[in-house]
Amino acid sequence: ETGVTQTPRHLVMGMTNKKSLKCEQHLGHNAMYWYKQSAKKPLELMFVYSLEERVENNSVPSRFSPECPNSSHLFLHLHTLQPEDSALYLCASSQDGLRAANYGYTFGSGTRLTVV
Amino acid sequence: GDSVTQMEGPVTLSEEAFLTINCTYTATGYPSLFWYVQYPGEGLQLLLKATKADDKGSNKGFEATYRKETTSFHLEKGSVQVSDSAVYFCALSVRYSTLTFGKGTMLLVSP
Repeated sequence: ETGVTQTPRHLVMGMTNKKSLKCEQHLGHNAMYWYKQSAKKPLELMFVYSLEERVENNSVPSRFSPECPNSSHLFLHLHTLQPEDSALYLCASSQDGLRAANYGYTFGSGTRLTVV
Repeated sequence: GDSVTQMEGPVTLSEEAFLTINCTYTATGYPSLFWYVQYPGEGLQLLLKATKADDKGSNKGFEATYRKETTSFHLEKGSVQVSDSAVYFCALSVRYSTLTFGKGTMLLVSP
C-alpha cells in the first residue's frame, strides 16, 4: 500500500466518451500532481495542486480537466480524447505544499488508459 | 533551467553483477536529489535520496552519493538480483519547485 490510491487501474474508452480518473491520499499531504507517462517519452507533469488550488498547468489540452475538491482527493476528467492520449496516468502527493525538496513525492500505481 | 541526464538503457546484467547507473544534473539552486524505481505495471517508488553535498542515500542495497563538484548522483549496487529489474529515474528538486525527472534507465537482470 503506497498511501496514494488510484482508480481505476485500467480504463478503455472511446473517443466520444467521458470518464474520470480518481486519486486519493491519506498521508496528510497538501500538494497533489498529475503526470502522464507515455512509452519512450519522459514523464510529463500535467497539473499541480497546492492547498487545493491549481498552481501549475503545463499546456495541457482542454480535453483534460482536473478537479481537487479537498487535499485528499484529486480527479482528472476526460472527454473527447484522442488515441495519442493513451498512456499511464500517475498521481502523486507531497508534504509541505511545493516544498518537496527534502521529501520527494509519493506516487500511486497509475491508471493505464487506452483510447480506442 | 533545471535538468537531469541519465545514461541510456537498457542496462543488461547477469545476477550478482555490479550495477552503476549514471546521473548528472544542472540546477539553478541547491537541489535535493532522488532515485525512484518503477517496477512493471506500477507507479514510481522513492528508492533513496540525499539533500546536501557528500550525503549518501541508501536503501535495499542501493547507494548514491551527492557529488556537488561533479554534479552527479550515480546509483550503485554491489550485487543485483532478478527482482531489481525495473526502470530507474533520477530526479532533483530545488526548494519551492516541482521535481525534475530524468528520462529513466531500464535495468534488465538475467539469472
